[in-house]
Amino acid sequence: SQTIHQWPATLVQPVGSPLSLECTVEGTSNPNLYWYRQAAGRGLQLLFYSVGIGQISSEVPQNLSASRPQDRQFILSSKKLLLSDSGFYLCAWSPSLGQGRKETQYFGPGTRLLVL
Amino acid sequence: RKEVEQDPGPFNVPEGATVAFNCTYSNSASQSFFWYRQDCRKEPKLLMSVYSSGNEDGRFTAQLNRASQYISLLIRDSKLSDSATYLCVVNLYNFNKFYFGSGTKLNVKP
Repeated sequence: SQTIHQWPATLVQPVGSPLSLECTVEGTSNPNLYWYRQAAGRGLQLLFYSVGIGQISSEVPQNLSASRPQDRQFILSSKKLLLSDSGFYLCAWSPSLGQGRKETQYFGPGTRLLVL
Repeated sequence: RKEVEQDPGPFNVPEGATVAFNCTYSNSASQSFFWYRQDCRKEPKLLMSVYSSGNEDGRFTAQLNRASQYISLLIRDSKLSDSATYLCVVNLYNFNKFYFGSGTKLNVKP
């Protein structure tokens, strides 16, 4: 079965500090990978998605970036955090097209980030 | 215009009640539809996919109306444990993006 991991679970960082959040998926190959952010009491905002190694699509211009160095690894980064970067960061995966499965997303447990 | 719109609620209902949520989507090319459940401070979890002919899973029934571009979720015999936020999700065939509604909050009271 497939599992998705995210770490850390919680993070408190000062404004202007760098950020690196990691997500890994097990039990599948060539997944589509996604980063979302959810502000308190709000809906999910898609930040980045990736259909393969080194392929990143950005949905919202901001001070965040994403990388996919390996097939099942997705990293969210920032060089300098802003107060507005606080939120609940969720990584998700879905089967890639052609795998014969209904496109459904599965979420990791999330990272709660507080920027002070 | 948002891709997916939901009534944010909250819906406050007593145990045992039947409650229904609707969700509308803007892109007629949408092909896959889902309901997710999100508990407070947790990740969303898939509740059920929504099929064209409608489908049922225990106390939960999902319906799709392509002509009017809306999806519904019916919960019968509400339990306290059904209290959560319910997210409507659509996906375009051959695209890799999922569009989420902002969620409908349900509070089931004793």
